[in-house]
Amino acid sequence: NAGVMQNPRHLVRRRGQEARLRCSPMKGHSHVYWYRQLPEEGLKFMVYLQKENIIDESGMPKERFSAEFPKEGPSILRIQQVVRGDSAAYFCASSPGQRSYNEQFFGPGTRLTVL
Amino acid sequence: AQKVTQAQTEISVVEKEDVTLDCVYETRDTTYYLFWYKQPPSGELVFLIRRNSFDEQNEISGRYSWNFQKSTSSFNFTITASQVVDSAVYFCALSMSFQKLVFGTGTRLLVSP
Repeated sequence: NAGVMQNPRHLVRRRGQEARLRCSPMKGHSHVYWYRQLPEEGLKFMVYLQKENIIDESGMPKERFSAEFPKEGPSILRIQQVVRGDSAAYFCASSPGQRSYNEQFFGPGTRLTVL
Repeated sequence: AQKVTQAQTEISVVEKEDVTLDCVYETRDTTYYLFWYKQPPSGELVFLIRRNSFDEQNEISGRYSWNFQKSTSSFNFTITASQVVDSAVYFCALSMSFQKLVFGTGTRLLVSP
């Protein structure tokens, strides 16, 4: 049973470009969470999605950031017009949802570097 | 609001020493879950343990043990006979059911030979 997959593992973008980060949850998991870890800091929640629904986006910056989890395919975190402050590790986690104690399984993360 | 405090920023020990990582949490909910994760230098997050608020029984897993005390809102983690491979950043986290994890700022553990 494959774990949570994230790609790319490393992404380099120049200021003003777009970054697309992908997350494939574990098989059978219908809940996806995105977290950001700035250098030398802890993880901060960004958004919580179920298939085709955003449940909690209280941690998402108001501009330039969006997330989706379509019926088919991976969850996507999209950052438009990246700035140097977006450089961070972005972690995706998935959870089975029903009958779950909310144990979240984390992917390996995507390290975004903005030049 | 929920909050997790890990007051120890960095701890250095010598191999075979015991070390305790502190975690204090705040929540108004009566049902919640507490977690510990390990982040080795390679960067991934490794799940260590989950406890729910109704289970205060302490747990031991090999060299690892956890002490959950609701009276002091603490969920401390002890590594017995530490090893160099234990060197990592350790995060304590809190969540309500099916909701986001609130992480502490982490404790960096350095175990030297």
